[in-house]
Amino acid sequence: LAKTTQPISMDSYEGQEVNITCSHNNIATNDYITWYQQFPSQGPRFIIQGYKTKVTNEVASLFIPADRKSSTLSLPRVSLSDTAVYYCLVVMNYGGATNKLIFGTGTLLAVQP
Amino acid sequence: GAVVSQHPSRVICKSGTSVKIECRSLDFQATTMFWYRQFPKQSLMLMATSNEGSKATYEQGVEKDKFLINHASLTLSTLTVTSAHPEDSSFYICSGRDNRGLNYGYTFGSGTRLTVV
Repeated sequence: LAKTTQPISMDSYEGQEVNITCSHNNIATNDYITWYQQFPSQGPRFIIQGYKTKVTNEVASLFIPADRKSSTLSLPRVSLSDTAVYYCLVVMNYGGATNKLIFGTGTLLAVQP
Repeated sequence: GAVVSQHPSRVICKSGTSVKIECRSLDFQATTMFWYRQFPKQSLMLMATSNEGSKATYEQGVEKDKFLINHASLTLSTLTVTSAHPEDSSFYICSGRDNRGLNYGYTFGSGTRLTVV
């Protein structure tokens, strides 16, 4: 399972764009990159998932370079409610039933007024 | 979207008693359920993986006789903390993997705060 490395914490202000980068140097060919958000005392919530290049949905964008050894989650115009821990995970895209989600340390994003 | 209903959200129990936590996938079938434990200011730690109709697979260091997992149907998995002790106090979270495939993702329950007194 590919190990991920991301900053422990980040600070931002309301209205700014926030980019959180994650390293996954030993990602395998069949692995996908997925990001989750967690608020205190709640279960993680799926944000976005991608394999390569760029993926965008209504809440975020995910940029993945050609070598796929890193990825960047981009949150446009953050608000106070975006204060949370963001986890980057690498998931094997394999048809078996044992595709475990292994969480790293996550990045605590603190958004200030 | 997919929802995993987890109950109870909070439970306080006496040391030595057992506590059961339920997770139900409401609008999808979860062939696989994952159980996590999270201590304050720490990340989620995978405890075990359960597949419907078979025995759970526990991660290294997790006592299978203490944390009993049952996954009797495609929509229900339970975790029973047996003979709970104060050190078992933690936030327990389940996650269901939609059996339609990876693109449908993993859905997490809202978590259960267990306090053993």
